[in-house]
Amino acid sequence: ILNVEQSPQSLHVQEGDSTNFTCSFPSSNFYALHWYRWETAKSPEALFVMTLNGDEKKKGRISATLNTKEGYSYLYIKGSQPEDSATYLCAFIRRAGNQFYFGTGTSLTVIP
Amino acid sequence: GAGVSQTPSNKVTEKGKYVELRCDPISGHTALYWYRQSLGQGPEFLIYFQGTGAADDSGLPNDRFFAVRPEGSVSTLKIQRTERGDSAVYLCASSLTGLAGTGELFFGEGSRLTVL
Repeated sequence: ILNVEQSPQSLHVQEGDSTNFTCSFPSSNFYALHWYRWETAKSPEALFVMTLNGDEKKKGRISATLNTKEGYSYLYIKGSQPEDSATYLCAFIRRAGNQFYFGTGTSLTVIP
Repeated sequence: GAGVSQTPSNKVTEKGKYVELRCDPISGHTALYWYRQSLGQGPEFLIYFQGTGAADDSGLPNDRFFAVRPEGSVSTLKIQRTERGDSAVYLCASSLTGLAGTGELFFGEGSRLTVL
């Protein structure tokens, strides 16, 4: 069984606060790590595709880092806004595999 | 359409019935995935198509589940003799080339299946 864990499971922050959450995955046979945002009543949307150890990617107020040697990725949101409220999913892909192994997600609620 | 389309969005059925869920991927996307999300869980892999063929069906839970993609575009997930444990959101996603490229998945909104 391949374990992808996300923490915390849920998070409530005030508008304007910065926050971060974690995705942990196996440190062997790494191929790629994806982050998706899933807003209620919508489709999950890709945020980042990360492939190299030490990768740092940024999209507006959201950024992510990757450490493949120790098997974790952090997602950061700076100055959270109510529209950031969503479930954030990470997905691990192993070398020579076809499957995306998803974590259970972090549910973020930003309180105005 | 511009995005991945799934129908029906909601399906309520009785235990023992047959169900079909349809996915219309983004035009030109060769890779298509089916995932299932049960309450409190992350999306769980069911099957992956590359073109018309099922490249990996190792996630199908048992022989009641079957999926086809006869022309390399639209896919249908078929569930026979539904059980209450099949209740979940069934997600379809497509990707331009699969993991030969970036592998970025484009998801539909899901089909919520409830088996009474």
